[in-house]
Amino acid sequence: DAGVIQSPRHEVTEMGQEVTLRCKPISGHDYLFWYRQTMMRGLELLIYFNNNVPIDDSGMPEDRFSAKMPNASFSTLKIQPSEPRDSAVYFCASSPIEGFPSSYNEQFFGPGTRLTVL
Amino acid sequence: AQKITQTQPGMFVQEKEAVTLDCTYDTSDQSYGLFWYKQPSSGEMIFLIYQGSYDEQNATEGRYSLNFQKARKSANLVISASQLGDSAMYFCAMRGRPYSGAGSYQLTFGKGTKLSVIP
Repeated sequence: DAGVIQSPRHEVTEMGQEVTLRCKPISGHDYLFWYRQTMMRGLELLIYFNNNVPIDDSGMPEDRFSAKMPNASFSTLKIQPSEPRDSAVYFCASSPIEGFPSSYNEQFFGPGTRLTVL
Repeated sequence: AQKITQTQPGMFVQEKEAVTLDCTYDTSDQSYGLFWYKQPSSGEMIFLIYQGSYDEQNATEGRYSLNFQKARKSANLVISASQLGDSAMYFCAMRGRPYSGAGSYQLTFGKGTKLSVIP
């Protein structure tokens, strides 16, 4: 398998522009996660999906951020309008279904998208 | 709520020596899992090792071992025989399951420790 695929790898845009980040999870994985990494705040979960349904979006910073998963093999994270404080590395991760308590749920991360908003 | 604390922003270790990276956690969940990830300068997140809260033995994966002390709520990563390629950021993370029984599949990450291996 190719692993989690993210595009673009780098994005530079100007304040006010719309930005769309894309993710293709590993085939067969039921969970998809979007994280944001900054120096100040570290790694933060933005939202995650189970079987294409958003389960927890409490980490989405504000209404400018939206995420969709139209099918099992594709998800987008959109920022509209973008602001300089959105500059960060955005990771997508996926994991297979599993159970508690003795099993675990390794999350496989994509390479990330480095977003710079000028 | 879950919290992960990594108190060492940076660590240095001599090549071929062992090093311990600290991680403490706080949770009220019934059961939980602890993870360590490595992030080299290239930016990708690489899974290293996992420890379940009910696992009686400490986890080991090659040169990585996890010193799990449940009563102290600590899950330190031990890297034996350090190599230059071990220089990276290391993140401790946790995933828990509250008493309600509902699963929560998100990971909570610590701030990370930057490890530098000296030749």
